[in-house]
Amino acid sequence: KNQVEQSPQSLIILEGKNCTLQCNYTVSPFSNLRWYKQDTGRGPVSLTIMTFSENTKSNGRYTATLDADTKQSSLHITASQLSDSASYICVVITYGGSQGNLIFGKGTKLSVKP
Amino acid sequence: DTGVSQNPRHKITKRGQNVTFRCDPISEHNRLYWYRQTLGQGPEFLTYFQNEAQLEKSRLLSDRFSAERPKGSFSTLEIQRTEQGDSAMYLCASSFGWTGTDYGYTFGSGTRLTVV
Repeated sequence: KNQVEQSPQSLIILEGKNCTLQCNYTVSPFSNLRWYKQDTGRGPVSLTIMTFSENTKSNGRYTATLDADTKQSSLHITASQLSDSASYICVVITYGGSQGNLIFGKGTKLSVKP
Repeated sequence: DTGVSQNPRHKITKRGQNVTFRCDPISEHNRLYWYRQTLGQGPEFLTYFQNEAQLEKSRLLSDRFSAERPKGSFSTLEIQRTEQGDSAMYLCASSFGWTGTDYGYTFGSGTRLTVV
């Protein structure tokens, strides 16, 4: 069964600190993996897109990694800011599967405190 | 290109009433998806279209729910005889689908439905 598991479920950190969010997936076949940021009451916004051959990709203070062998991805946030408080959702895109080819994780809720 | 647009942003309705939401995708995107999201959960797939054809419907999409995309552009999601359990955020996304490779997957800001 295609699944995406995220950990931790929630996380509280102090402003300025770094953090790493995890995503493990059992999705086959694999097309690409995306990290989205979702502010409360808003739609998800794409942060990074990782294809099979990419190991690391950065977008400002966000760095995503992908290990296609172990089927794990991480999102590292550097020097956190209050505006980073949001849910971060890992989505794996597959080919020809159900659910329109998108398999969602449940998200990690990040709270950045001053 | 103004992104994916959803209207209304918020809807409060009484139990038993019908509601309709609209989604305008990015113009060149041929795929359109509907999701439901409850508090603290990830989006749950409801249905998706490729052009005007509805290719898949989730079991979550009961007979009270219907979605259309009549001309392959905007889409509507209607909920009949709303129940309190229908209270959720309804998200729309669009992509440019091609065999084995999809691009986009841009989400709208969602419609927050509250059934009282």
